[in-house]
Amino acid sequence: EVQLVQSGAEVKKPGESLRISCKGSGYSFTSYWIAWVRQMPGKGLEWMGKIYPSDSDTNYSPSFQGHVTISADRSISTAYLQWSSLKASDTAMYYCARLVGAASFSWFDPWGQGTLVTVSS
Amino acid sequence: QSVLTQPPSVSGAPGQRVTISCTGSSSNIGAGYDVHWYQQLPGTAPKLLIYGNSNRPSGVPDRFSGSKSGTSASLAITGLRAEDEADYYCQSYDSSLSAFWVFGGGTKLTVL
Repeated sequence: EVQLVQSGAEVKKPGESLRISCKGSGYSFTSYWIAWVRQMPGKGLEWMGKIYPSDSDTNYSPSFQGHVTISADRSISTAYLQWSSLKASDTAMYYCARLVGAASFSWFDPWGQGTLVTVSS
Repeated sequence: QSVLTQPPSVSGAPGQRVTISCTGSSSNIGAGYDVHWYQQLPGTAPKLLIYGNSNRPSGVPDRFSGSKSGTSASLAITGLRAEDEADYYCQSYDSSLSAFWVFGGGTKLTVL
């Protein structure tokens, strides 16, 4: 079974750093892009960026470029999303998802279970 | 404001048919990019419902169907059931500089 398992919920203070993870199993981790998607409380889905674990090629949405860093460790089939200085506005649920299909025609499947990040003083 | 526009809510009685629209522009749906649909049940992660405009993944009932025409797409659900109550999102690709993979704002389906 293809599966993405994310790390647990986090509670942080503004200005702190954070890295959350997404571990893939049941497929060749280096053969598919992994994307990160944000869902703010009560809101919709926003694509943040993606990484190709084979060579760590990375693309970011302009809305998130410079605010987060996406990385991967292919030796342990894990992708990461990290912040160097969190803000209260980073409070959200973060999902990782595998990109399937041909390039710009691709879709997200499956999704991780989500990691809730709460930033509060 | 989402790049793809969906109605905030739709509703229907059990057994009825409902449709959810997804309107884009010439830089996404109208440019020929595929539309995909996701179902998000309360408190859970999104799940792929339709891919490539009209294809159902294994395990998705044939009560769910998708279509695309011009700059819009639609998700139809027939034989509504209580367990269909969820948020539904469309997704496509946008060739402008705003983003690349884009979502609709989501539609809350209420089964009356």
